[in-house]
Amino acid sequence: EAGVAQSPRYKIIEKRQSVAFWCNPISGHATLYWYQQILGQGPKLLIQFQNNGVVDDSQLPKDRFSAERLKGVDSTLKIQPAKLEDSAVYLCASRPKQGREETQYFGPGTRLLVL
Amino acid sequence: DQQVKQNSPSLSVQEGRISILNCDYTNSMFDYFLWYKKYPAEGPTFLISISSIKDKNEDGRFTVFLNKSAKHLSLHIVPSQPGDSAVYFCAACYNFGNEKLTFGTGTRLTIIP
Repeated sequence: EAGVAQSPRYKIIEKRQSVAFWCNPISGHATLYWYQQILGQGPKLLIQFQNNGVVDDSQLPKDRFSAERLKGVDSTLKIQPAKLEDSAVYLCASRPKQGREETQYFGPGTRLLVL
Repeated sequence: DQQVKQNSPSLSVQEGRISILNCDYTNSMFDYFLWYKKYPAEGPTFLISISSIKDKNEDGRFTVFLNKSAKHLSLHIVPSQPGDSAVYFCAACYNFGNEKLTFGTGTRLTIIP
């Protein structure tokens, strides 16, 4: 079974530029998450989708971050414009609709550096 | 507001000995707790969990203990092996595992051969 795929793996941009990350979840997984992990901290949930609907985006900085999950499969997370403090690893995870949180599978992450 | 805390950023343990990783939480509504392991350049992987109705859960070399009155849990690894060297995250959630993970800051465990 293929795992959660993310691209790119690394990205370096200058502040005020835009950037987008892509996630392909495990086939059949209805729930998809985006997390932000700043160096020295644990992952923080940004947004959770169930199929293509948003379940929780309470911690997403909506003035600059946006996410979509068209057709309930792949997802993209965008930052526009980026700030220095957005430097972090962005993790995507997915899990089956029926399953506890421990059944989340994480992708390898995209490491973003904002200069 | 850090609701899940891991106060030890790093820990070094001799191979074959016991590793004990600690975690404290502040939100009494959490009722399900998990440990994740993370290698460099990989995403976290689930290790072991415990429900608030239990005080111990064991899986091979890994045991998690929960002390609800102290809002404290710990992960014991016995015996420790070099492959256990990783960052360990404690996480907590609601509704017996069905809602929203809140992660701690992680503890880097190094097993010394």
